[in-house]
Amino acid sequence: EVQLAESGGGLVQPGGSLRLSCAASGFTFSTYEMNWVRQAPGKGLEWVSFMSTSGSVIQYADSVQGRFTISRDNAQNSLFLQMNSLRAEDTAIYYCAREYITSSGRALDVWGKGTTVTVSS
Amino acid sequence: EIVMTQSPVTLSVSPGESATLSCRASQSVNSNLVWYQQKPGQAPRLLIYGASIRATGIPARFSGSGSGTEFTLTINSLQSEDFADYFCQQHNRWPRTFGQGTKLEIK
Repeated sequence: EVQLAESGGGLVQPGGSLRLSCAASGFTFSTYEMNWVRQAPGKGLEWVSFMSTSGSVIQYADSVQGRFTISRDNAQNSLFLQMNSLRAEDTAIYYCAREYITSSGRALDVWGKGTTVTVSS
Repeated sequence: EIVMTQSPVTLSVSPGESATLSCRASQSVNSNLVWYQQKPGQAPRLLIYGASIRATGIPARFSGSGSGTEFTLTINSLQSEDFADYFCQQHNRWPRTFGQGTKLEIK
């Protein structure tokens, strides 16, 4: 079964750091581009970051640029998000999502259940 | 950044009827538009990509249309399981952006 499982969330003080992990199973992780998407409590979805299969292409939302770092370990079938200088507005459920690519378009076709990050003193 | 605006914010429809959800982009996104469904406490689920192509396993009562800046998601013969939040997303330009969502509720 194709699955993504996030971990690493928790309560952190403003200015602190956290590292999220996403473990992939059931598919060839190294051949898929990956994303992080977050959702603040009671709010909509916000795309956070993207990484290509080799890591040669990386993109970030303006809101996290310079504070968050996406990475992956294809040998370990894992995606990561290092989050530094955390702010209250970073409080959200963080989802990792697989990128599905066809000649007709792209989409996020597989999502994990998410991990909750709470930034509060 | 491309701003995606969904309307209405909330849509009340009776089961068995049809629902039409709109998504407008602040500039052209061509057909690089995706629709997701999200139920409370769950991760989003892919419905439509390429503006009009149903994802695997999505019932035929879901259809997408549009290109450029105006897009529509139509759900025919609403079933109880269709009442949820719906989000559009563009992937034409970085950063990728989502609409704020439409809540489809039972009337």
